[in-house]
Amino acid sequence: NAGVTQTPKFRVLKTGQSMTLLCAQDMNHEYMYWYRQDPGMGLRLIHYSVGEGTTAKGEVPDGYNVSRLKKQNFLLGLESAAPSQTSVYFCASALGVRYEQYFGPGTRLTVT
Amino acid sequence: GENVEQHPSTLSVQEGDSAVIKCTYSDSASNYFPWYKQELGKRPQLIIDIRSNVGEKKDQRIAVTLNKTAKHFSLHITETQPEDSAVYFCAATLRAGSYQLTFGKGTKLSVIP
Repeated sequence: NAGVTQTPKFRVLKTGQSMTLLCAQDMNHEYMYWYRQDPGMGLRLIHYSVGEGTTAKGEVPDGYNVSRLKKQNFLLGLESAAPSQTSVYFCASALGVRYEQYFGPGTRLTVT
Repeated sequence: GENVEQHPSTLSVQEGDSAVIKCTYSDSASNYFPWYKQELGKRPQLIIDIRSNVGEKKDQRIAVTLNKTAKHFSLHITETQPEDSAVYFCAATLRAGSYQLTFGKGTKLSVIP
């Protein structure tokens, strides 16, 4: 079992460029989450999904979109990157909200 | 607003001493309280969790206590070792029926050999 994987691991974007981060899990989890982690700010929820075809906004959703077309994949998109989106992005999956969240290795994104 | 407050933000202890990290939450309907450990450059990993129908839970050197009346929960690490050095995050499910966790801002624990 690979668990939760994320691609890419690193990326540098120029302001205004777009990109998609891919999260994949092989644990048959219904719930998937995208977080961003900034120094001193902890983990802040961007968007989440409680099942295939569903998505919902988290704490900091502005500037991001997501899609969950397949149960095992959760995509995070940045349509027009801004320097404020420079961060480390973590994906996580879980059986439910009151169960362990399994995190991916993270994606370090820099927007110049 | 709905949040989880975590204190202290940094903590240094001598090897072998105990460490305590405390979190408070805003919603009395919160019912699940996990703790995650994140080593430098690594992903967060669950170390222990507690549900609202339990007051205390232990797993070897770590324990979590929950005080529902005061709306706070704490992580206790005994006999600390250098490998306990990491950032620790508390979290809670805020609001009844919530599908998400809200995380505290983290505590950087340093264990001095």
